[in-house]
Amino acid sequence: AQTVTQSQPEMSVQEAETVTLSCTYDTSENNYYLFWYKQPPSRQMILVIRQEAYKQQNATENRFSVNFQKAAKSFSLKISDSQLGDTAMYFCAFMKHAGAGSYQLTFGKGTKLSVIP
Amino acid sequence: DSGVTQTPKHLITATGQRVTLRCSPRSGDLSVYWYQQSLDQGLQFLIHYYNGEERAKGNILERFSAQQFPDLHSELNLSSLELGDSALYFCASSPRAEHPPRSGYTFGSGTRLTVV
Repeated sequence: AQTVTQSQPEMSVQEAETVTLSCTYDTSENNYYLFWYKQPPSRQMILVIRQEAYKQQNATENRFSVNFQKAAKSFSLKISDSQLGDTAMYFCAFMKHAGAGSYQLTFGKGTKLSVIP
Repeated sequence: DSGVTQTPKHLITATGQRVTLRCSPRSGDLSVYWYQQSLDQGLQFLIHYYNGEERAKGNILERFSAQQFPDLHSELNLSSLELGDSALYFCASSPRAEHPPRSGYTFGSGTRLTVV
């Protein structure tokens, strides 16, 4: 079974600064997908960024980028120029094909990020 | 608005009761996944339906069941409710089952269930 570990339950960052959230995972699979989701106080789960395991290039979405180290099974999220609206719970998630066309997500416990004005 | 609609947003009920949570997937999406988010267990996969057919089960209790109707909306039925069933229940949709959803899923805003 896959496990996803987020070792930082809470973090804070000054507005406009950069912060990195850590995530490690354990799997014997070779083909899989990794995601970061954001859950603000509104509790909506919002996709931040995704990475296919077969791609060596790290994904980037505007101020969000990842450092994907496949051999180390590490998938960290870097948020640049942090904004107050980035305050949220961030979940790292692992997706693989579970058979019968089902792609299930395994989530970490989350990191609560607070952006300080 | 994500396009995935969950109703009701909040539900308070007593132990032993039965409730039904409803999910309408994003237009064109055939897959519906249900997840439970609780303080102690985090986010856990419950069950997956594709075009009316059950495709996979996760950590779903026998007291819980689901179905997907011809119009593709899905319902999660929770019975003999216990205090520990209090949680946020999400549904998420994706276009097809045969290919990985490249953007992950699209989540609804969840149903907050409180069992008292």
